Amino acid sequence: AQSVTQPDIHITVSEGASLELRCNYSYGATPYLFWYVQSPGQGLQLLLKYFSGDTLVQGIKGFEAEFKRSQSSFNLRKPSVHWSDAAEYFCAVADTGTASKLTFGTGTRLQVTL
Amino acid sequence: NAGVMQNPRHLVRRRGQEARLRCSPMKGHSHVYWYRQLPEEGLKFMVYLQKENIIDESGMPKERFSAEFPKEGPSILRIQQVVRGDSAAYFCASTSGVQETQYFGPGTRLLVL
Repeated sequence: AQSVTQPDIHITVSEGASLELRCNYSYGATPYLFWYVQSPGQGLQLLLKYFSGDTLVQGIKGFEAEFKRSQSSFNLRKPSVHWSDAAEYFCAVADTGTASKLTFGTGTRLQVTL
Repeated sequence: NAGVMQNPRHLVRRRGQEARLRCSPMKGHSHVYWYRQLPEEGLKFMVYLQKENIIDESGMPKERFSAEFPKEGPSILRIQQVVRGDSAAYFCASTSGVQETQYFGPGTRLLVL
């Protein structure tokens, strides 16, 4: 069965600093990969996705992620964090072979200090 | 184009009562997924439905939980005889087809007293 690991439960960065959130997945074939963001009390908003092709994908709000098959990773990055980026970030994988139900990681809570 | 709608946004029930959660997918979407988020955890898949069909219910608890997506109207997640452990946020997502991007609703936060 597929699984997703987000090793960092909580990360604090200063505004303007760079950010990298880690995500590792376990899946037999090439997965579909996603990053979602959840603000407190809100639903999930899609930041970016990887289905195939270029392994560096650009998303909304200045985020990007890189798919590295050799490391089974799909880390999320942003060069300069804004205070409004404080939220919970979830990495997810979908089964490409069947229905696309998502398997989520446990999330990384990002705190931004001013 | 309205996004995925869920209602109610907050629901309080006493133990033993029934909870009904509604999800209206985005216009043109005929696939609905339900997920549950327990406090301090990620989302867990519950069930995947298309119009009038349950496609995958592998994540649904065996008892008390049921889901439907009728030809007309919203998808319903029904929890009978709720217990405190059912307290969670329930999210639905919709897509236009298999392996398409899922768009999430704002969720229903269920509190069981």
